[in-house]
Order: sequence, then C-alpha cells, then structure tokens
Amino acid sequence: QQQVKQSPQSLIVQKGGISIINCAYENTAFDYFPWYQQFPGKGPALLIAIRPDVSEKKEGRFTISFNKSAKQFSLHIMDSQPGDSATYFCAASRTTSGTYKYIFGTGTRLKVLA
Amino acid sequence: DAGVTQSPTHLIKTRGQQVTLRCSPISGHKSVSWYQQVLGQGPQFIFQYYEKEERGRGNFPDRFSARQFPNYSSELNVNALLLGDSALYLCASSPQLVGTEAFFGQGTRLTVV
Repeated sequence: QQQVKQSPQSLIVQKGGISIINCAYENTAFDYFPWYQQFPGKGPALLIAIRPDVSEKKEGRFTISFNKSAKQFSLHIMDSQPGDSATYFCAASRTTSGTYKYIFGTGTRLKVLA
Repeated sequence: DAGVTQSPTHLIKTRGQQVTLRCSPISGHKSVSWYQQVLGQGPQFIFQYYEKEERGRGNFPDRFSARQFPNYSSELNVNALLLGDSALYLCASSPQLVGTEAFFGQGTRLTVV
C-alpha cells in the first residue's frame, strides 16, 4: 500500500512534442503529490505538486492531471525541449501524519531529441 | 539565498568503516529528512528530524543513525559499511514538520569498496 508505481521507465520524445509520465498509488491517505526533476549528479528539484481536491494544475509547460477515483496522476510536459532531458520522479505523502516522508516512484528517464 | 547544502559531495569508504554525512537546511527550515537513492531507483526515506527530535524512521537497519543540532543542521551516520550502502544520500529540508514542500540538496555520493 505504500508503493507508488511509475511508468514508463524511459521515454524518448521529439523536440516540441508532449511528454507524458504516469503514476499510480494505493494508499488513499496520501494527500500531496509532487513531481521532481533530477539531472545527473544533482539532487531532485521540485517541479510542480497537486493535492487531491483539484483535477489539474498547470505551471508553464508542466501540467499535472489527477484522477482521484482511479488513484492515478500524470505529468504532461508540453513543447518538450532538449533541456528537459532528465529523470522525473513522482511522489506521494500524507501531510497529516506525524512523519512527513515522500514515497517516490522508480523514475522515468526522459530524452528529448533536438 | 542558500539552498540545502550537503558535505562532502563524494566519499569513498571501505567495507566495515563508519561514515558521517552532513546537511545544512535552508535558513528558517526546522525539518530535515534523509533519503538514500540507489542508482536507477527513486529515493528511499531514512529519517526525519524536527526540532532536534526524530519524527520518523524508514526501513533501515540500526547501523543508520542521525541527529539534528540546535541550528537545525543534521548529520547522518552509517556504521559497519556494506557494499550495498553505496548510494546517493540526499538531505531534504522543510519549514515545518508536515504539510509543506521539501527541498533537496545535491546529495553525497558514497561509494563503499
């Protein structure tokens, strides 16, 4: 119940295309879902996050779609650029518990071709 | 403003040795969490500290320990190193105990030989 399943493991997209990464969770107590971007040799950087009371959140070229009934959420990167090439992690947490920890997905390695 | 800083950036240790990793959170942040990221995997939660108290512990052996100092900086200690402890160790800071964003440092790459 603590797992977050992420797919695909890797993704190749042409410049200007749309990158879509999917995640699914089991624990309905999760109430905060961030996406992190990680470049080689660097720590994860927060991209965008959503709470289950909204179905979509957009920040620039990045959009999270959230389906509470299906317990799934996805990251859409519009107009993908070579600089977006990185590993992306979804995560989930319970913000109301006494311990604040993220359960991370296994990551998606995105390559955007120029 | 300085982000989360970790030291050292890289470290090579021999099996059986002990290691101490350090983390300085963002100024004003009181919560520090530690994660282990094995190559090709997502980060795994090790500890959370808030106001110098341990508030959570992940599924890691007792060889792993940590502490938080009055200035909110933190140390992660790993004893009796195993080859499997080779990983990127990440520190994350948050303003409060729960319910806020976590900001990660660049990590310490530990290699055990």
